[in-house]
Amino acid sequence: GDSVTQMEGPVTLSEEAFLTINCTYTATGYPSLFWYVQYPGEGLQLLLKATKADDKGSNKGFEATYRKETTSFHLEKGSVQVSDSAVYFCALRPAYSGAGSYQLTFGKGTKLSVIP
Amino acid sequence: EPEVTQTPSHQVTQMGQEVILRCVPISNHLYFYWYRQILGQKVEFLVSFYNNEISEKSEIFDDQFSVERPDGSNFTLKIRSTKLEDSAMYFCASTGGGTNEAFFGQGTRLTVV
Repeated sequence: GDSVTQMEGPVTLSEEAFLTINCTYTATGYPSLFWYVQYPGEGLQLLLKATKADDKGSNKGFEATYRKETTSFHLEKGSVQVSDSAVYFCALRPAYSGAGSYQLTFGKGTKLSVIP
Repeated sequence: EPEVTQTPSHQVTQMGQEVILRCVPISNHLYFYWYRQILGQKVEFLVSFYNNEISEKSEIFDDQFSVERPDGSNFTLKIRSTKLEDSAMYFCASTGGGTNEAFFGQGTRLTVV
C-alpha cells in the first residue's frame, strides 16, 4: 500500500537557519503530494502541494519539489523564524482518487522548534 | 476565514463507554472525513462521508465506529464501546470536492482510561 516516510524529529534550529525536512513516498503512479503544518493548539493546515512530477509547491517561504525519480518531496526554507515552530506532516493523495476523495496517507510528522 | 470546528478539545472516558466526537464542517462543503493520530504515530484515515453515506473507510473503521450527519451542520463520530487503544487525537476534515483543499479541525484528544 501507499506510505510516506519523513525524517524523525524533533528538529531544533536557530532563527535564520536553513531548514530541510525529508519526505519520501511509496505509491502507484503519480500521487498528489502535500505538506501540512500544525501550530500549537491548532488544526492541520495545508502549507503547500504539488500534483505532478517536477512541480514545485511554495508558500510562506517554504518550498518542496515533486521528484518522481527519487520519490521525494523534501520541504525547505532558506531562513526559519520562531513563528515557524510547529509540527510538519508530509502526505499523499493517491493518483486514482475520485472527485472528493481525500483519503490522505500521512507521515509521522516532524516537530520543528526554532530558537531566537 | 471559514474553519472546521471540533468539540470537545479533550475528552476523557472510561473503557467500555460510548463517546461521540463532534465536528462542524465548513458550511458549503460536501465531503467529510475523520482521521486519527495515536500518540507518536502517523495520522491515519478512518472514513469519508458524502451524500449522507460512507464513501470510503479504512480497516480501522470497524463496527465499533459509526458516523452521522444528524442535521445540516454537524458531523459526528461515535465509538460504541471504547478501548484503551482508541486513545488518540481525532481530526475532522471537509472539502468542497474535486481537488479542492481539505480543511482540518483542531482535533479532539480522546483519552480512554
